[in-house]
Amino acid sequence: GEDVEQSLFLSVREGDSSVINCTYTDSSSTYLYWYKQEPGAGLQLLTYIFSNMDMKQDQRLTVLLNKKDKHLSLRIADTQTGDSAIYFCAETPGSSNTGKLIFGQGTTLQVKP
Amino acid sequence: DGGITQSPKYLFRKEGQNVTLSCEQNLNHDAMYWYRQDPGQGLRLIYYSQIVNDFQKGDIAEGYSVSREKKESFPLTVTSAQKNPTAFYLCASSSPGLAGAREQYFGPGTRLTVT
Repeated sequence: GEDVEQSLFLSVREGDSSVINCTYTDSSSTYLYWYKQEPGAGLQLLTYIFSNMDMKQDQRLTVLLNKKDKHLSLRIADTQTGDSAIYFCAETPGSSNTGKLIFGQGTTLQVKP
Repeated sequence: DGGITQSPKYLFRKEGQNVTLSCEQNLNHDAMYWYRQDPGQGLRLIYYSQIVNDFQKGDIAEGYSVSREKKESFPLTVTSAQKNPTAFYLCASSSPGLAGAREQYFGPGTRLTVT
């Protein structure tokens, strides 16, 4: 079946890089997404990557996709206290044409000053 | 401004009462979704609708109902049959992007507390 796994917690110092990891099981996933959720708020789409790409960079964010290992990562350069949030990865299953997304449990990023 | 609105932000109900959560979007998106979020469990899909007057059950539809009479609106009713209704409820919408991605855009959420 379709499943997405993330580690639950990451703590970094301000100015360091953060790397949040995600693994998924559906080898036919078409798109993979990263969302950010601040306390008490909805999810904000950060970026997404098509499954035939290895890397996508957008300002401080770098997404790496290893399709062979079904591993997705989000690197945040020069992490700031404002980056403290829960980060969710999600996939569009290859079997779906409904726009359904499968979400991981979320990784809480704590940035210490 | 285009976006998704959910109201109210906080909702309190007594056990045994039905309650309806509102979700409205002005993004002209075809598809809309309802998720439930519990601490440490990520998002679980309750119902989704790809087109007006049609909707499908998600992974945890029991105790919930929806309607989709208008493209912009997808209200969710939490019925008294839902055993653990206290949660944070998120509404989202999407349409196919130019490259085929179906990124979802989320509302701010409604926190429902049932006592």
